[in-house]
Formats: sequence, structure tokens, C-alpha cells
Amino acid sequence: DVKVTQSSRYLVKRTGEKVFLECVQDMDHENMFWYRQDPGLGLRLIYFSYDVKMKEKGDIPEGYSVSREKKERFSLILESASTNQTSMYLCASISYRADQPQHFGDGTRLSIL
Amino acid sequence: QQQVKQSPQSLIVQKGGISIINCAYENTAFDYFPWYQQFPGKGPALLIAIRPDVSEKKEGRFTISFNKSAKQFSLHIMDSQPGDSATYFCAASIRSSGTYKYIFGTGTRLKVLA
Repeated sequence: DVKVTQSSRYLVKRTGEKVFLECVQDMDHENMFWYRQDPGLGLRLIYFSYDVKMKEKGDIPEGYSVSREKKERFSLILESASTNQTSMYLCASISYRADQPQHFGDGTRLSIL
Repeated sequence: QQQVKQSPQSLIVQKGGISIINCAYENTAFDYFPWYQQFPGKGPALLIAIRPDVSEKKEGRFTISFNKSAKQFSLHIMDSQPGDSATYFCAASIRSSGTYKYIFGTGTRLKVLA
């Protein structure tokens, strides 16, 4: 079974802090994704990576950056946290093959005070 | 054109009833349509998926119906059970920038009454 592990289930930070969310997958997947989930808005793609050190912006990248130094690990960085970044953050990975599902972690609920 | 529209936003069904969730899309380049189930405190998990060359796929009590000409697809949950109470997301996949990007619907919160 694919396992996608997010390092924190709950996180509380202050406005202006630099925040790191970590994600690790154990299936040697090439592609990894960061989403945020908000009620009524579904899952929105922040950034994705299709290879080590490669990254691309998703639909809502403003205020975020990412890092992928190793294949299994994908980090989301909030450079200067703001209250409108309070959300549920989901990491996912997928094999580079057609018809393969994305596998999700259990999410990090981040509150910015 | 990249949107996937999902309805209803919430749904209440009696135990043993049929739950139906609908999704519609515009982009004909989408080539894979998964449904995800999410329980509180958990990440979304793949429930069932279909490709556009198939009109229906059934797995147990869960069926996807796919209408390519109308660009619509739906999830049917037969004999709905309280354990099916969860949020359901439809999605459409498109190959882009070296990967398969998913566009998700906004979700349907299903409650099955005992």
C-alpha cells in the first residue's frame, strides 16, 4: 500500500512566521503535489513537482514555495504566514503512468493566529 | 474550461436508499475520472475511477455512469449505509507539464441516516 505521510496533523503558527510542511511518500513516485482544502472550494493545487528539484506552480501559488531535494520528500513553505493561509493542507503523490490515482496524506490542519 | 462542477453540495439519504452525485466538465482533453471519499480527519482516498471510453463501471455498491457526449459523470451509491457518510469529490485528470494534474469538484457532503 502506498503511504503518504505528512509530518504534522495540527499546527498553530503566528502571522509573519516562516512555516514548513513536510510530506514523505514511500512508493518511489515521480510526481508530488500540495493542495489546500477549504469548505465549498474543494481541493486547489498550490504547487507540484514532477521530478527532484523540479517544481511548477499550480492554481494558487501566491505566498507559497516548495522544495524537493529528494524523490520521496516534498516540502511546502509559507514564507511569511498570513491569516488567510489558515487551511487544511494535503500532500499527494502519483506514479508517472496513465490511469493511476493520486494518493493522499491525512492532511495538516494549519492555523495562523 | 478547467473546471469540474459538482452537485449537490450536501445530500441526506435514508439507510438503504440511493445516493447520486453529479459532475460536469468542459475540457474534452480530460482522460481519467476518479471519485474520492474523505472521512473527517483523513485524506481523500480513491473510491472508483473510469476512463471516457467506458459508459459505466461498477464496484460493489458504487457505480460511475459516464456520458461522454454530455460531458457529465455521476456516482451512484446503492443501498446507502451510515458508514458511507463522508465527503465525496469527483475529479478529472489531464496530462500537463510532465505529470497528470487533477481538477477536483467542490465536494458533496453525504449523510446517511440510520
